[in-house]
Amino acid sequence: KAGVTQTPRYLIKTRGQQVTLSCSPISGHRSVSWYQQTPGQGLQFLFEYFSETQRNKGNFPGRFSGRQFSNSRSEMNVSTLELGDSALYLCASSLGGVGETQYFGPGTRLLVL
Amino acid sequence: GDSVTQMEGPVTLSEEAFLTINCTYTATGYPSLFWYVQYPGEGLQLLLKATKADDKGSNKGFEATYRKETTSFHLEKGSVQVSDSAVYFCALRSPFSGGYNKLIFGAGTRLAVHP
Repeated sequence: KAGVTQTPRYLIKTRGQQVTLSCSPISGHRSVSWYQQTPGQGLQFLFEYFSETQRNKGNFPGRFSGRQFSNSRSEMNVSTLELGDSALYLCASSLGGVGETQYFGPGTRLLVL
Repeated sequence: GDSVTQMEGPVTLSEEAFLTINCTYTATGYPSLFWYVQYPGEGLQLLLKATKADDKGSNKGFEATYRKETTSFHLEKGSVQVSDSAVYFCALRSPFSGGYNKLIFGAGTRLAVHP
């Protein structure tokens, strides 16, 4: 069974631009969560989608948004990029129920110049 | 709020040495506890987990026991290999933290194993 895939793997943007990252979950998984990983703040939860609905949200500004499609693929969007948005963005998928294991993708490394 | 505290790294060991990485947590109720590993340039891989007090998670020679009385979930391995060099993250998931799948991570501990 294929794992979680994320595209693109690397991205360079400039301040003020916007960016869209994509995550394809493991087949059959209905939950997708997004995390930001930075050297200073570590791993922080952004949001979780389940069956096309946002189920939970972390403490990030409204510039960070996401969505999930009917095939469970998810996208996250960051508008008006800031230098501090440079990070590794990880998504994780699971079946979605309580206690289900989350499986992480390799991440998208975003550099904002 | 819920939080996870890990021992600071880096931890440097010789091959075949004993490994302990300390992890303690603060959480409401009875969280599930996890250890994830991140190899250079990769995402996170689940190493082991425990969902209730006194459970022992184990995988690839690594072990951790869920200790409710000390709110700890220390990672151990009897004999490390060079291939174990990576960053290790302790994490929790609490049903009271607002969602099914919100993981709260510790800062990570970098392990370097030398031949």
